This record gives sequence, structure tokens and C-alpha cells, in this order.
Amino acid sequence: GQNIDQPTEMTATEGAIVQINCTYQTSGFNGLFWYQQHAGEAPTFLSYNVLDGLEEKGRFSSFLSRSKGYSYLLLKELQMKDSASYLCAVRDRGNTPLVFGKGTRLSVIA
Amino acid sequence: DVKVTQSSRYLVKRTGEKVFLECVQDMDHENMFWYRQDPGLGLRLIYFSYDVKMKEKGDIPEGYSVSREKKERFSLILESASTNQTSMYLCASQTGSAGELFFGEGSRLTVL
Repeated sequence: GQNIDQPTEMTATEGAIVQINCTYQTSGFNGLFWYQQHAGEAPTFLSYNVLDGLEEKGRFSSFLSRSKGYSYLLLKELQMKDSASYLCAVRDRGNTPLVFGKGTRLSVIA
Repeated sequence: DVKVTQSSRYLVKRTGEKVFLECVQDMDHENMFWYRQDPGLGLRLIYFSYDVKMKEKGDIPEGYSVSREKKERFSLILESASTNQTSMYLCASQTGSAGELFFGEGSRLTVL
């Protein structure tokens, strides 16, 4: 089976750094995606990792360790607009559909 | 700009009614998907399609069917709506080379 775990909720302070973790157990692995979803809106793509290491994109970075079945999304210089749900999704092989975790709701407070 | 358009943002239907949710994408994508999103359960895959007239069951296909007569359009059908199908329904499309998903704005369905 497939299992993707991420924390349900996190709270962080404006201007700080927050790390959202995702662990997965899948039969295979062909990429991990992070999406951002503001309340009442569609998910939007943030990052993609298929090889081990860190991918940086502005204030957002994503890290992958395939041997540990682990990824994290790092958000720096937090802003109030970063309050949203963050979804981790894994493709286990080929072009099979993404399997999503339940999402982490991040609240940024002043 | 890429665009995935879902026909209705909000619908209210009665138990037993037939419901059509339509999704159109303008990116010439091969792959299209229907997910439902519920609090505490995340996104769950209902059906997907990798080509016109092709469909595959996802993780929770019971009570749903789909139609893909044209490449740009993927419809989700609830033959006889039930209260446990009250949910947010999200359509997504993807290139055939397995890139990122592009989501529509969602259709929030309430079944009374």
C-alpha cells in the first residue's frame, strides 16, 4: 500500500522559518511534489523533487531523501500570506497518478 | 496562462438526483483527473483518464462514473447522489510526460 504522513497543523511567527515534514512509504518512487492551497482555492504547484538533495526556489526550498522516504518543505521569512495548507504528493512509478498526504495547515501569526 | 475550468463552483442537489460536474482544460493535456477533498482525509482520487475515451478507476470510484469524449473535457457523473457525496470536487490536468498537476477552482457539492 501507500502511506504519506505529514503533520496536521503548524503555527509559526511572521518573519521566522518553518519546516514541514513529509514521510512516505510507497511501492516505488518516481517523484515528490509540494502544493500550496489557500482556503477555498485550488492547490498550486510549489516544487518537485526526484533526486536526493535540496531544491531552492526563492523563499521556498524542498528537500528529499529517497533512502529515508522523507521530504521537507522549508519556508523562510514567513509572511501572513503563507498561511495555507501544504500538500505533499508522491508518484510511486512511471506516470501513475499522484497520491496525496492529508495536508498540513500552516498558520502564520504576528 | 494555463486554465482548468470547472463548470460550477457551488451546487446543491437532492438525494437521488443525477449530477454532472464538467471540467475543461485549454492546455492540450493528455491526462485528466477527478479528486474529492474532505476535511481530515485530504485529496482522494476518484477517476482518471490518459486519453480520449479512456478511463481508469482511482481509489474511490464507487458511486461515480466519468466521460471523456473530447481531449479537453472530462466529466464526473453522480448517477444517484447521496449525502456522503457532499464534498469539494477538484479536477486536474497534466501533460503526458507526467509533470505537475494543474487544478481547477473546485466544485463544492452539497447533497441534501
